[in-house]
Amino acid sequence: NAGVTQTPKFRVLKTGQSMTLLCAQDMNHEYMYWYRQDPGMGLRLIHYSVGEGTTAKGEVPDGYNVSRLKKQNFLLGLESAAPSQTSVYFCASRGSGRSNEQFFGPGTRLTVL
Amino acid sequence: QKEVEQDPGPLSVPEGAIVSLNCTYSNSAFQYFMWYRQYSRKGPELLMYTYSSGNKEDGRFTAQVDKSSKYISLFIRDSQPSDSATYLCAPNAGGTSYGKLTFGQGTILTVHP
Repeated sequence: NAGVTQTPKFRVLKTGQSMTLLCAQDMNHEYMYWYRQDPGMGLRLIHYSVGEGTTAKGEVPDGYNVSRLKKQNFLLGLESAAPSQTSVYFCASRGSGRSNEQFFGPGTRLTVL
Repeated sequence: QKEVEQDPGPLSVPEGAIVSLNCTYSNSAFQYFMWYRQYSRKGPELLMYTYSSGNKEDGRFTAQVDKSSKYISLFIRDSQPSDSATYLCAPNAGGTSYGKLTFGQGTILTVHP
């Protein structure tokens, strides 16, 4: 079991460029989440999904889009990157049982110049 | 005011010390109280969680929740250098919250030999 994997691990973009971050999980989890982590801010929820084909906005959704075409994958897109989107991005997944444990990926470090 | 407040530290203690990490929260709907540990440049991992008020012990770790004062604590006994990490409290409302977690800012802990 690989758990939750994220691609790429690092990326440097120029302002205005676009990119997609890929999250994959092999635990057959229903729920998936995208967070960003900035110094002194903890983790903030960007978007989440409660099942294949569904997406919903989190706390800081502006400038990001997501898609969940397959249950195991959750994609985060930046259409026109801005320096304020420089951050570490984490994906997480959770099963549908009573436990609220979220399993996190290793993160993607994104720098926007 | 943030929904979950956590002193970011940093906190530096000698090996063997008792460590106390704390969070306060404002949302009365929170029912599950998670503690995540995050090593440098890694994703967060669930350390332990508590449902509603009370204590829970797991080895050297004890989690406490006082819902009346909206106060969450994590105690580490006989701290070890391997405990050096960022500790994040993350309450959850359960029910129809779709497992969404609200993270505190995280406390950076260093245990020196």
